[in-house]
Amino acid sequence: DAKTTQPNSMESNEEEPVHLPCNHSTISGTDYIHWYRQLPSQGPEYVIHGLTSNVNNRMASLAIAEDRKSSTLILHRATLRDAAVYYCILSRDSGGGADGLTFGKGTHLIIQP
Amino acid sequence: GAVVSQHPSWVICKSGTSVKIECRSLDFQATTMFWYRQFPKQSLMLMATSNEGSKATYEQGVEKDKFLINHASLTLSTLTVTSAHPEDSSFYICSAEGRTGGNQPQHFGDGTRLSIL
Repeated sequence: DAKTTQPNSMESNEEEPVHLPCNHSTISGTDYIHWYRQLPSQGPEYVIHGLTSNVNNRMASLAIAEDRKSSTLILHRATLRDAAVYYCILSRDSGGGADGLTFGKGTHLIIQP
Repeated sequence: GAVVSQHPSWVICKSGTSVKIECRSLDFQATTMFWYRQFPKQSLMLMATSNEGSKATYEQGVEKDKFLINHASLTLSTLTVTSAHPEDSSFYICSAEGRTGGNQPQHFGDGTRLSIL
């Protein structure tokens, strides 16, 4: 499986935008870029995913580099509830059934009030 | 949105006890569910893939006789930790894909914290 690289931790202030980077230089053409986050003592929560084009939803935006070797999760206005571990994961579309996800260490996002 | 429910939320039991954890998809049918394990301060590790009506597929290093998986219906998968020991203490999390086709996000349960004394 193609690997992703994320900073161990990042810190931001409340109500400011947050840009979480992810490098995936060995990504293949059928790999989707998924982002999940995990709050303490909870299961992961889906945030956003994309293939080539930038994506927006109510939680965040996903900016994908033109060569797809990196991506950035953007939280437009961070709140204290956004403090979590954010995982950038590549998920291959094999055309068949679903595959389990390979979680890296993620980025621990700290939000300062 | 798709909801996955996991029960119980936490279990404390004596060494040698078998523990069953349930994972239900509440508002969708899940042909495939996944079981993960997470030790303190570590990331999630995929244990097995649970397929409705067939045998589960286990990841390397996961004992299939230790961690029994049953996926008897499209909305329920169970994980039974047999003869649990303290080293099996962990946070167990299930997930399911919301719908088949394409590359869909997975929906996770809230996890079961298992403590073996």
